[in-house]
Parts: sequence; C-alpha cells; structure tokens
Amino acid sequence: EPEVTQTPSHQVTQMGQEVILRCVPISNHLYFYWYRQILGQKVEFLVSFYNNEISEKSEIFDDQFSVERPDGSNFTLKIRSTKLEDSAMYFCASSDLGGSGDQYFGPGTRLLVL
Amino acid sequence: GESVGLHLPTLSVQEGDNSIINCAYSNSASDYFIWYKQESGKGPQFIIDIRSNMDKRQGQRVTVLLNKTVKHLSLQIAATQPGDSAVYFCAEKDTGRRALTFGSGTRLQVQP
Repeated sequence: EPEVTQTPSHQVTQMGQEVILRCVPISNHLYFYWYRQILGQKVEFLVSFYNNEISEKSEIFDDQFSVERPDGSNFTLKIRSTKLEDSAMYFCASSDLGGSGDQYFGPGTRLLVL
Repeated sequence: GESVGLHLPTLSVQEGDNSIINCAYSNSASDYFIWYKQESGKGPQFIIDIRSNMDKRQGQRVTVLLNKTVKHLSLQIAATQPGDSAVYFCAEKDTGRRALTFGSGTRLQVQP
C-alpha cells in the first residue's frame, strides 16, 4: 500500500538554525500538506500546496516557513531561523483531491530546537 | 509520531467489547469529517470519513455517526481488539477549504 514517507525521523537543531524537513507524498496525489503537533497539543494545519504553489496557509505559517516541491517526488518544509517554540512533530500529508479528498499522513519528523 | 496527550481523555474497554469515541465540533460550516487513529511512533492513519449530507457510515468494524444538530461525531468500533489501542482524533473540514481542523484526541486502551 502506498505511503507518505518523511525524513529525518528526528532532528535536533540549535535556535536560529535553518532546518529542512522532507516528505515524499503518495505518487499519484496532487495536493500536499504540512501539519504540526506541539507536545501535548492538537494537530495543527500549517499549509497546503497544489500545482507548485501554496493554496492555503494558517497564521502559524509565517515568513520563517517556506515549502517547495523541488522535483517530481519530494515536498519540503523549510524553517529559516528556528525558535524554541518550533519544537514539535511535523507531519506531511497528501491527497488526490483537494476538496474532500482523504489526507494520508506520513510518520512525522520530531524536531527539537535547543 | 505519537500524539502525546498529557491530558487526553482515556477510554478503557475489554477486548471484544464495543467502543464508542465521541467528538464535539464547533464549526457549523464544516462539511466533511474524518476519524484518524494514531499509534505510538506513527502518523495519523485514516479510518473512516463522512460528509455532512449523511448521518451514518459504516466500514469494516467501524461506524461513524454524525449529528449536525448538536455538532457531534462518534466512532463506534465493534469487537474491539488489542490492536485498536491508540489515540483517536476526529478532524473536520470547512466547505471550500483544504485544511483539516483536529480535535484533541481520545486514548483507547483495550484490556486483554
């Protein structure tokens, strides 16, 4: 069964450093998403991406964040200058329909900012 | 990938019993609802969905009920098994949006 994959599984970084989280969505999916889950809190939407552009973003997704689909398979989330409060699990998801299409999630990257 | 729920409500059931997990939502414009299961070390796993023009949908051993009047969603798991132990989230989507809004989750513990 096709799966969304994410690398790395864990990342530790120093405050102020840039991090890039990587995702390989399901191959025939067209819509891609990033969510995060801070320890003890709900899963929160960050951004959705379709046709090589952002289609929707939350207030969390400020100028420190960016997304990119650098090739036909990868989808990345970059945090330019990490803050302590960026520590969280980051989940990538993909779907084949943007409206009501089921979103399938990857296993997540646990980011720890020191 | 675990949903670390320092304050997650917990439902404890015996193996073989039926489980009912509840979720309240607040956005009356939501038109699509999903239940996800999250096991330790993994991301949310799709279980079943329902659209707002339905009030019940059944899958394999699972049933989702939607009551739009009181903005309530429930997941029923028949003959609960130890492998069902996980955190369960409901998620909703507003018409015309792609973002899912997640609930806070319920931890299901199945006692053998």
